[in-house]
Amino acid sequence: DTGVSQDPRHKITKRGQNVTFRCDPISEHNRLYWYRQTLGQGPEFLTYFQNEAQLEKSRLLSDRFSAERPKGSFSTLEIQRTEQGDSAMYLCASSSITDRSYNEQFFGPGTRLTVL
Amino acid sequence: RKEVEQDPGPFNVPEGATVAFNCTYSNSASQSFFWYRQDCRKEPKLLMSVYSSGNEDGRFTAQLNRASQYISLLIRDSKLSDSATYLCVVKTGGYNKLIFGAGTRLAVHP
Repeated sequence: DTGVSQDPRHKITKRGQNVTFRCDPISEHNRLYWYRQTLGQGPEFLTYFQNEAQLEKSRLLSDRFSAERPKGSFSTLEIQRTEQGDSAMYLCASSSITDRSYNEQFFGPGTRLTVL
Repeated sequence: RKEVEQDPGPFNVPEGATVAFNCTYSNSASQSFFWYRQDCRKEPKLLMSVYSSGNEDGRFTAQLNRASQYISLLIRDSKLSDSATYLCVVKTGGYNKLIFGAGTRLAVHP
């Protein structure tokens, strides 16, 4: 399967713990996005990387959240001191800047986080 | 006010029905428009882009009215497999950031 992959698929943690999620984009896609989706809502943009550079961050991304894409390939999203309000599906998407068409964003299956 | 607003539904329709979804967006500088489909507990997938001239893909027709900042999706001859949540999506800005509506849920029954 050459689509976007995310790990883990599910994570249950206790409030106050740190968690880290990983996203592997489609090979050679240079754009990578993180979104968060809560029940009954559409995905909300969190942050965007072009290669290894983090070019945009949402106001939703508090200082407890940090994202990296060190070599321009996979990305990690870390949440420190988790809160119950962090419970959501965290979606990763990738796209290619070289596509002629609207550079469609392909989404991974998501990591479902539950904070107890 | 949310940037992209949709009727949440659910729309419960019989097979073969025609159903229309509407969406409005608030940012007049929005550049591109899309409909994504999301099955229960799955990731969103692009259904179709929406062009100013209107566009059709099989049973699906999308329309855009920039003056009214309004987007629509028409599904003809509904199938059971069309049951899903339909997300209205707008791209604003230079980084391809997508702004999603909350989605409209469609349930097609036999």
